[in-house]
Amino acid sequence: DAGVIQSPRHEVTEMGQEVTLRCKPISGHDYLFWYRQTMMRGLELLIYFNNNVPIDDSGMPEDRFSAKMPNASFSTLKIQPSEPRDSAVYFCASSLEGPYEQYFGPGTRLTVT
Amino acid sequence: KQEVTQIPAALSVPEGENLVLNCSFTDSAIYNLQWFRQDPGKGLTSLLLIQSSQREQTSGRLNASLDKSSGRSTLYIAASQPGDSATYLCAAYGGSNYKLTFGKGTLLTVNP
Repeated sequence: DAGVIQSPRHEVTEMGQEVTLRCKPISGHDYLFWYRQTMMRGLELLIYFNNNVPIDDSGMPEDRFSAKMPNASFSTLKIQPSEPRDSAVYFCASSLEGPYEQYFGPGTRLTVT
Repeated sequence: KQEVTQIPAALSVPEGENLVLNCSFTDSAIYNLQWFRQDPGKGLTSLLLIQSSQREQTSGRLNASLDKSSGRSTLYIAASQPGDSATYLCAAYGGSNYKLTFGKGTLLTVNP
């Protein structure tokens, strides 16, 4: 298996633009997680899905953030409009079961100018 | 709310030294605890996962222990090598939800 795949790897955009991050989990994994990593706050869980259904989005910072999982092999995290404080590395992870080992993608480094 | 703390924040050792990284968590009602490695500009690689009913896990030169009652976990690295240089993160998995709470990590540098 290719592991968790994320695209793009790097994204530079201007404040106010819409940003869409993409994730393909490991085939057969029922759980998908979106995290954000910053120097100040470390790694934080934004939202997670079970069988394509959002279970807990309490970590989503604002209404500008939204996430979808239209099928078992694809998820998106959208920021609209983007702001400079959204600059961070966004990771997607998946696991076979909720409490099982999580496998992380390489991350998307987002820079909002 | 679960809080995870890692000490020290950075550690520099000479090659060949045995070392211990520390992790503490405030809520002992965890399902498991995971240790990850993160290389610069890369994602996280899972190293070891300890279930709440276990005391330790071993993989090669790595040994992780878990003491739920005291809210502590340690990662022991034997005979460290320059290739071990990375940031090591621990994360506690909550029992009532499937959330991993991460520490800020320990930046390890192994000098040849």
